[in-house]
Amino acid sequence: AQKITQTQPGMFVQEKEAVTLDCTYDTSDPSYGLFWYKQPSSGEMIFLIYQGSYDQQNATEGRYSLNFQKARKSANLVISASQLGDSAMYFCAMNTGNQFYFGTGTSLTVIP
Amino acid sequence: DTGVSQDPRHKITKRGQNVTFRCDPISEHNRLYWYRQTLGQGPEFLTYFQNEAQLEKSRLLSDRFSAERPKGSFSTLEIQRTEQGDSAMYLCASSFSQRDADEQFFGPGTRLTVL
Repeated sequence: AQKITQTQPGMFVQEKEAVTLDCTYDTSDPSYGLFWYKQPSSGEMIFLIYQGSYDQQNATEGRYSLNFQKARKSANLVISASQLGDSAMYFCAMNTGNQFYFGTGTSLTVIP
Repeated sequence: DTGVSQDPRHKITKRGQNVTFRCDPISEHNRLYWYRQTLGQGPEFLTYFQNEAQLEKSRLLSDRFSAERPKGSFSTLEIQRTEQGDSAMYLCASSFSQRDADEQFFGPGTRLTVL
């Protein structure tokens, strides 16, 4: 069964605008962590943001924020004030127990 | 450079040959992970170590795959009798388990091509 679902294969956003990348997850474990990673064309995976299942507040890291809706099992990434350097693949991931799951990714293109 | 390093960066081999990859994690990190990533897909978890103990193995890790982390520092991933379906990017990551976030730092990967 798919543990992480990213339904947007590709997204476009105008420079300086905000964009939301969707992620839903599936687990029956009450304790889990949710992550977003960025993978530019150069290939390296870059950690962006983390949300724990027991965290009461949505995580924020600079221009990145995670819209965590536990009842809906969604963990959407919001990037504010998009920059050209934000163009990359974005992966949502979850760890539960000793297992780690990544989604299929969303390709984000920032348009000047 | 104090990041995660992987060697080699590229490996081309013939079907049926054995290959071994090495990963050197960030020095103070006690957790080490191996993933496989094929084109257009997200990383697939293969296995992970806490110190020298291998705590989890994915069902994707057939008996042709073996991973070790003998002294809790670097790790090796060996694939025996390679098949064309093994062609992929093999990623290593490390983290420090006492952080709640268990933020994983990834290496640059080893790209395997099986002819």
